[in-house]
Amino acid sequence: AQTVTQSQPEMSVQEAETVTLSCTYDTSENNYYLFWYKQPPSRQMILVIRQEAYKQQNATENRFSVNFQKAAKSFSLKISDSQLGDTAMYFCAFTTTQGAQKLVFGQGTRLTINP
Amino acid sequence: GAGVSQSPSNKVTEKGKDVELRCDPISGHTALYWYRQRLGQGLEFLIYFQGNSAPDKSGLPSDRFSAERTGESVSTLTIQRTQQEDSAVYLCASSLRRTSYEQYFGPGTRLTVT
Repeated sequence: AQTVTQSQPEMSVQEAETVTLSCTYDTSENNYYLFWYKQPPSRQMILVIRQEAYKQQNATENRFSVNFQKAAKSFSLKISDSQLGDTAMYFCAFTTTQGAQKLVFGQGTRLTINP
Repeated sequence: GAGVSQSPSNKVTEKGKDVELRCDPISGHTALYWYRQRLGQGLEFLIYFQGNSAPDKSGLPSDRFSAERTGESVSTLTIQRTQQEDSAVYLCASSLRRTSYEQYFGPGTRLTVT
């Protein structure tokens, strides 16, 4: 069974700083996708970034980038120039390319950006 | 275009009552998922629909939980004889499948069983 682990329940940084959220996963699959979702207090799950396992290049989306280490099964999220609007729960998620393609989520990291 | 919508936004019910939650996926999305999020936790997969294929019900926690979907449209999640441990946010997501592995989520229904 696939599992996703986020070892940082809470993090807090000052506005404009850079912050890195950790995620590790366990799977025997070779082809899969990894995601970071953001969940603000509104409850809406918002896709931040995704990474295909077969791509060696790390995905980037504006201020958001990942460090994907396939051999180590690690998938961290870096937020540069953090903004107050980045305050939210962040979830790491995994899906295979076969079957139901259901998302397997970590427990989440509560990130607070302080002014 | 319109995103995934869910209703009601909040539902308070008494223990033992049945509840029905509704999800309207994004038009054209063939795959639909239901997840449960308990307070302070990550999301747990409940059930998956893909077109007219038999649903994947492997995540349903008990036979009190059931879901239906007609074709590629609306889905309803029904919880019978609700228990306090059913209190959670129930999130629905839809996906194009085969072209994208991204799931687009609705705002969820917060269910409180008293």
